[in-house]
Amino acid sequence: DSGVTQTPKHLITATGQRVTLRCSPRSGDLSVYWYQQSLDQGLQFLIQYYNGEERAKGNILERFSAQQFPDLHSELNLSSLELGDSALYFCASSVVSGTGSTDTQYFGPGTRLTVL
Amino acid sequence: GQNIDQPTEMTATEGAIVQINCTYQTSGFNGLFWYQQHAGEAPTFLSYNVLDGLEEKGRFSSFLSRSKGYSYLLLKELQMKDSASYLCAVRGMDSNYQLIWGAGTKLIIKP
Repeated sequence: DSGVTQTPKHLITATGQRVTLRCSPRSGDLSVYWYQQSLDQGLQFLIQYYNGEERAKGNILERFSAQQFPDLHSELNLSSLELGDSALYFCASSVVSGTGSTDTQYFGPGTRLTVL
Repeated sequence: GQNIDQPTEMTATEGAIVQINCTYQTSGFNGLFWYQQHAGEAPTFLSYNVLDGLEEKGRFSSFLSRSKGYSYLLLKELQMKDSASYLCAVRGMDSNYQLIWGAGTKLIIKP
C-alpha cells in the first residue's frame, strides 16, 4: 500500500458525460501527478500540482481539468467523454515539487474508466 | 527530442537471471527510476540511480552509466510473481523536471 488513495475504483459512463476522479496523496506529500494509461500503453503524464498550484502540464486535453485543494487532495475532471478516454487513470504523489532528483513518485491504485 | 527505449517484451525462466535494458536521450539528467507494474495495477517504485554504478536491493539491482545514457535492471532468482511490466523513467532538466517514461518491458516468467 503506497498510502495514496483514489476513488472510485471503477467508473462506467456514457459518451458525452462528465466525471470526477479523486485522489488523496500520502501524508506529508505536497505534489500530486495525474497519469492516463490506455490498454497495453505506457503512462501518459497529464498534469502536476504542487501545494495547490499547477506546476506542469503534459498531454492533457482541453476537455480535462484538475485542481488541488487546500487539504492537498486533488480532483481530475473529464468532460464530453469519448470512447477513447477509456483508460486507467493514476494519481501519484511526492514529497516536494519534483525538482529534487531523489523526489520519488508513489502511485495510487488507479481508477478504471470505461466509456460506453 | 527526448526518448527512452526499452525492449517491448522479454521471456525468462523461473530461477534464472534476466537483465532489462533502458537507453535514454534527454535534455539533461537528474535521476533514473525503475518501477514494476503488474497488469491492471499501479506502478510500484523499485529503484533509483543518479550516480554511475550499481545499486543492489535484494534480488533486484539497477545499474547506471550516464556517459552512455544507459541503465539496466537485473532480476535474480526469478519467481513467477516477477511476471510484470518494468518501467524506466528519467528525470530530465526541462519540462519542469518531469519524469519521462519508457513504454515498459513486459517480462514473462516461464516455469
